[in-house]
Amino acid sequence: GAGVSQSPRYKVAKRGQDVALRCDPISGHVSLFWYQQALGQGPEFLTYFQNEAQLDKSGLPSDRFFAERPEGSVSTLKIQRTQQEDSAVYLCASSFWGANTEAFFGQGTRLTVV
Amino acid sequence: DAKTTQPNSMESNEEEPVHLPCNHSTISGTDYIHWYRQLPSQGPEYVIHGLTSNVNNRMASLAIAEDRKSSTLILHRATLRDAAVYYCILRAVNNAGNMLTFGGGTRLMVKP
Repeated sequence: GAGVSQSPRYKVAKRGQDVALRCDPISGHVSLFWYQQALGQGPEFLTYFQNEAQLDKSGLPSDRFFAERPEGSVSTLKIQRTQQEDSAVYLCASSFWGANTEAFFGQGTRLTVV
Repeated sequence: DAKTTQPNSMESNEEEPVHLPCNHSTISGTDYIHWYRQLPSQGPEYVIHGLTSNVNNRMASLAIAEDRKSSTLILHRATLRDAAVYYCILRAVNNAGNMLTFGGGTRLMVKP
């Protein structure tokens, strides 16, 4: 595809359930970012990958959150034992490396924990 | 990361120019100034970026102050489709991830 693809678009999880959110970045993009966006707020950084290496995970809110990008392409954000406060839109972005590059965002996955 | 300050909201009339301000007084010499916008129920979308010189593209213009402590995104003729939240972001060269740190943004409302 031409852009960043995220799936599923919507996910409803019961509290305590584990979820996995997928991101297909643009081919050839070295950098991959995950963001969490609560309703009415700006996106908050969660974690960053350069190829398969997770270089920054300072934004992950708890050890229930885990992300991987094993082959330097597709990435998965996993949330274990979901809580209501995890309800948000999860955004994935990819770019070539460098501050002088444009980042491309997916449509996001809206997670609702009930 | 250096922070940016933007007005919470602005209003514009359709077909008129819009100037969206951003203050970034703690910007470092190697920070790029990026602008993204987010339409309702969409992911953020790149608008423009620059370092020192003013920049133009098909979507907008970016005017950067000489001391780089502020910048202005200019939409030359606002349309209803330009109603969105506009984020001014500094992207650091020396940040290992070059990540984009979002603030609250400016919600632009366009009146017909």
